Amino acid sequence: GNSVTQMEGPVTLSEEAFLTINCTYTATGYPSLFWYVQYPGEGLQLLLKATKADDKGSNKGFEATYRKETTSFHLEKGSVQVSDSAVYFCALGGNEKLTFGTGTRLTIIP
Amino acid sequence: DAGVIQSPRHEVTEMGQEVTLRCKPISGHDYLFWYRQTMMRGLELLIYFNNNVPIDDSGMPEDRFSAKMPNASFSTLKIQPSEPRDSAVYFCASSFRRRLNEKLFFGSGTQLSVL
Repeated sequence: GNSVTQMEGPVTLSEEAFLTINCTYTATGYPSLFWYVQYPGEGLQLLLKATKADDKGSNKGFEATYRKETTSFHLEKGSVQVSDSAVYFCALGGNEKLTFGTGTRLTIIP
Repeated sequence: DAGVIQSPRHEVTEMGQEVTLRCKPISGHDYLFWYRQTMMRGLELLIYFNNNVPIDDSGMPEDRFSAKMPNASFSTLKIQPSEPRDSAVYFCASSFRRRLNEKLFFGSGTQLSVL
């Protein structure tokens, strides 16, 4: 079945540091891949997505590239801000439902 | 649109009591999902509906859990009797014509504490 393995946290970085959160997946067929973000006290919201191999999703300075050869979808940002502190979830889209990773808690310190 | 609306935001109850969580999806959405989030297990899909019909309830942990969707604008998740290990954040999410490249819209969740 489908599964997502996500970098365990928590991750703590200083403001303006470079961020990478690793995500690899196992799936049959050609799923879509997503990153969702959860800010404190809120529900998850879509951050970015990619629907086919070599696609790059981007939003709010975050990027992730759909790598079929390495079955990966790593999240990156060149310079993080305090406001990026949140929990990040990698997800894989199947026929009708999403399979989520366990989430990575990111804390950015000024 | 007001988004997915869940109530209550917080629920504190005692073991053995019945708990009912409520969800109003975004108007026009035809898929509704119930998730549970815990530190230990992350985000788990409990059940989802399409056009008010339950499609997959394989994630429902026990018979103590039940979910209904009597119409397109309302769903409930009921736990009876509740136990301390049910303490978690429960999220409802909805989507339109769920396909591989669609996204889910999540509510703000219900924080459930069973004492």
